[in-house]
Amino acid sequence: NAGVTQTPKFQVLKTGQSMTLQCAQDMNHNSMYWYRQDPGMGLRLIYYSASEGTTDKGEVPNGYNVSRLNKREFSLRLESAAPSQTSVYFCASSEVGVSYNEQFFGPGTRLTVL
Amino acid sequence: KNEVEQSPQNLTAQEGEFITINCSYSVGISALHWLQQHPGGGIVSLFMLSSGKKKHGRLIATINIQEKHSSLHITASHPRDSAVYICAVGRHSGYALNFGKGTSLLVTP
Repeated sequence: NAGVTQTPKFQVLKTGQSMTLQCAQDMNHNSMYWYRQDPGMGLRLIYYSASEGTTDKGEVPNGYNVSRLNKREFSLRLESAAPSQTSVYFCASSEVGVSYNEQFFGPGTRLTVL
Repeated sequence: KNEVEQSPQNLTAQEGEFITINCSYSVGISALHWLQQHPGGGIVSLFMLSSGKKKHGRLIATINIQEKHSSLHITASHPRDSAVYICAVGRHSGYALNFGKGTSLLVTP
């Protein structure tokens, strides 16, 4: 089992460009999450999908869109990248929610917006 | 004020020392998670607990719900324990974790 996979691992964009970060899990988990991690700050939730067919905003959703393509895949799209979106992005999954379930994280995508 | 506070922010220890990292939170929670982030960036879940104590190898996690406090202990520390340790709490709503800023641990030989 690969667990949670993310592509790409690194990306450099120019301001205004768009891109999609891909995430897939092979653990048959219902819930999936996108976080960003910035220096000096804790991980912050961008969007989550409680189950296939649903998505909800997290703490910092502005400038992002998501798609829960199927149970396995959850993508994050930046429509018009800004330097403030320079960050490390982590995808995660859990069986159902995080109240009583462990989260499994992908390896991260390091994004730089110039 | 962050709902989850960790201390210390940075910690240096010599190999073999007993290490304690603390986490305090200010909200009602369903569960508390301890995570480890390796120098390469990967994040691994160490523990999830809602009461009492859990042990895995040299790592022990405890939680006191009344005092809203948790500790992560590492016994007989080793340089390979060098990492950032992150505390996170799950709210009763179930789909969001509030994260602490992490404790950076360096264990020297």
